[in-house]
Amino acid sequence: SQQGEEDPQALSIQEGENATMNCSYKTSINNLQWYRQNSGRGLVHLILIRSNEREKHSGRLRVTLDTSKKSSSLLITASRAADTASYFCAHLLSGSARQLTFGSGTQLTVLP
Amino acid sequence: SQTIHQWPATLVQPVGSPLSLECTVEGTSNPNLYWYRQAAGRGLQLLFYSVGIGQISSEVPQNLSASRPQDRQFILSSKKLLLSDSGFYLCAWSKRDRVIDTQYFGPGTRLTVL
Repeated sequence: SQQGEEDPQALSIQEGENATMNCSYKTSINNLQWYRQNSGRGLVHLILIRSNEREKHSGRLRVTLDTSKKSSSLLITASRAADTASYFCAHLLSGSARQLTFGSGTQLTVLP
Repeated sequence: SQTIHQWPATLVQPVGSPLSLECTVEGTSNPNLYWYRQAAGRGLQLLFYSVGIGQISSEVPQNLSASRPQDRQFILSSKKLLLSDSGFYLCAWSKRDRVIDTQYFGPGTRLTVL
């Protein structure tokens, strides 16, 4: 399967702590994206990192990409209860312009 | 601004009944369109995608079909639902660029087949 894998599957932390989620994939990619999904809702795009980038920031989000290890991480700093959601990585396969392959997601719970 | 609509929001159907889920996009032209299914607590499975009117690519063999009768309308159908068709169905669109950078998702349809 070309599907990515996130770990951990579930993560529970206290408000104010940092949350780190990891994603691995199996093939060469064009870019890698992170999405967030609140329970029972659609996905919302958070951040994209291209294959020639190693790190990217957006507000409290920090994404890293290691193409040699075929892995990415999403760090949410100073977490809030409102960050509780499922987080998915998705990658665009090299040579595929239109199809994203999604991982199985990490369920993050931030306790107040 | 662009918006994407899906309906119905929830649907309960008996096994063997037909299905029609609709997705429409506003505020953009010539989008790529996608149908995904998400089982409870799982990731997204790409079912169909379309790069233009009447152009449908199927990713998973199943008893579902998709059609794109208009540029910004994408329909997911079945002639006879199975229990295994239950799930959360998400429609998404992306810009018709050479390489996509973002997919924009609709609110989803929760389908329960009894």
